[in-house]
Amino acid sequence: DIQMTQSPSSLSASVGDRVTITCRASQSISRYLNWFQLKPGKAPKLLIYAASSLQSGVPSRFSGSGSGTDFTLTISSLQPEDSATYYCQQSNSSPLTFGGGTKVEIK
Amino acid sequence: QVQLQESGPGLVKPSQTLSLTCSVSGGSISSGTYSWNWIRQPAGKGLEWIGRIYTSGSTNYNPSLKSRVTISVDTSKNQLSLKLTSVAAADTAVYYCARDVRGSGTYYGFWYFDLWGRGTLVTVSS
Repeated sequence: DIQMTQSPSSLSASVGDRVTITCRASQSISRYLNWFQLKPGKAPKLLIYAASSLQSGVPSRFSGSGSGTDFTLTISSLQPEDSATYYCQQSNSSPLTFGGGTKVEIK
Repeated sequence: QVQLQESGPGLVKPSQTLSLTCSVSGGSISSGTYSWNWIRQPAGKGLEWIGRIYTSGSTNYNPSLKSRVTISVDTSKNQLSLKLTSVAAADTAVYYCARDVRGSGTYYGFWYFDLWGRGTLVTVSS
């Protein structure tokens, strides 16, 4: 199985801050990497697919980059509604696997 | 607009079978280039992919659960179902259904979960 490691596991930042979350795969996954936002009681939301493609309807302050084993999700200017847990997920091979999550809190 | 909604018993006894359904509204579960997936999240833990069924009918399961899992589709009801046998406390989790779509154009070959349900909590306890 491909192991996905996210860091940090949690962070606290102020509104307007630039936030970066890192995801590392245990082997190369090319650009088969997706990012999701989870909030309690709500349906998870796709943010980024294929490492860097912004899903329709997602604010442009979200961006993704990387290929191979190292990936990042960046929120350019953190907003109150971005308080959530973020997960990366590889779609390179089965079984599909997720990172451990990064909880983002607003100071 | 396609929507997914999970349903099923919130409490299952140990050693019994967990059965959930995911109702698809606003679109047909049998059309398009999709797979239909189950994913779970134990309290305080990360996401675990359980398995999927393609619109072709072929299935693919997580090896960690494969011996206990069956995923199927009822096209007449436009529903996805999950059966997990011999459950234990470790199977307590929020269970999500999700649609996996294959990208188009430049992104042909890239698959991603573009639609999820809100999830349903299943507790395994006597």
